Amino acid sequence: DTEVTQTPKHLVMGMTNKKSLKCEQHMGHRAMYWYKQKAKKPPELMFVYSYEKLSINESVPSRFSPECPNSSLLNLHLHALQPEDSALYLCASSQSGGVDLTETQYFGPGTRLLVL
Amino acid sequence: AQSVTQLGSHVSVSEGALVLLRCNYSSSVPPYLFWYVQYPNQGLQLLLKYTTGATLVKGINGFEAEFKKSETSFHLTKPSAHMSDAAEYFCAVSDNYGQNFVFGPGTRLSVLP
Repeated sequence: DTEVTQTPKHLVMGMTNKKSLKCEQHMGHRAMYWYKQKAKKPPELMFVYSYEKLSINESVPSRFSPECPNSSLLNLHLHALQPEDSALYLCASSQSGGVDLTETQYFGPGTRLLVL
Repeated sequence: AQSVTQLGSHVSVSEGALVLLRCNYSSSVPPYLFWYVQYPNQGLQLLLKYTTGATLVKGINGFEAEFKKSETSFHLTKPSAHMSDAAEYFCAVSDNYGQNFVFGPGTRLSVLP
């Protein structure tokens, strides 16, 4: 299995809602990533988990809360988002457990989020 | 810190023509360089990657790129464009410590029949 899967594909939420994005991989990768991608822009790194521990947090607002329950699963909990948070949220994984951003990253298809 | 520029936010080529997508980087340490492709409504996929050694790197789908240190460039080429190559292409750079990674702004490739 060489896939990174993400659910849901699309999500519409109000500013007072709480929702979660889910990412799963079964490649035995030990590093997992969340990216945010606005339209016609490159992905921006949000978080990196290494061996299920948060290793990099790129100054992301606390209304985004990541969680890595096990080595195959990565969640992004959303609460009190703003309309400007509307974007494509991409999950990725890479093989090594150390934070090594020289490694090839394998991306999921993303969750397209709209905040009303 | 690393940075990447991609000349041309949009490039159009005819089917069968040469594809050339430009990437220039800035890095104070030896870089690792990547090209990723993003098809519409999909995630990103690695096309090719330069680490060390041979400066001409061959990737998937007939793409290749050449690392030119003197020009701080890593341009992506394909001899003959196919309709299925239409996508967004991102150049990216990491330092050799693996602690920093940044994407360039992207180039959208259109292939005309």
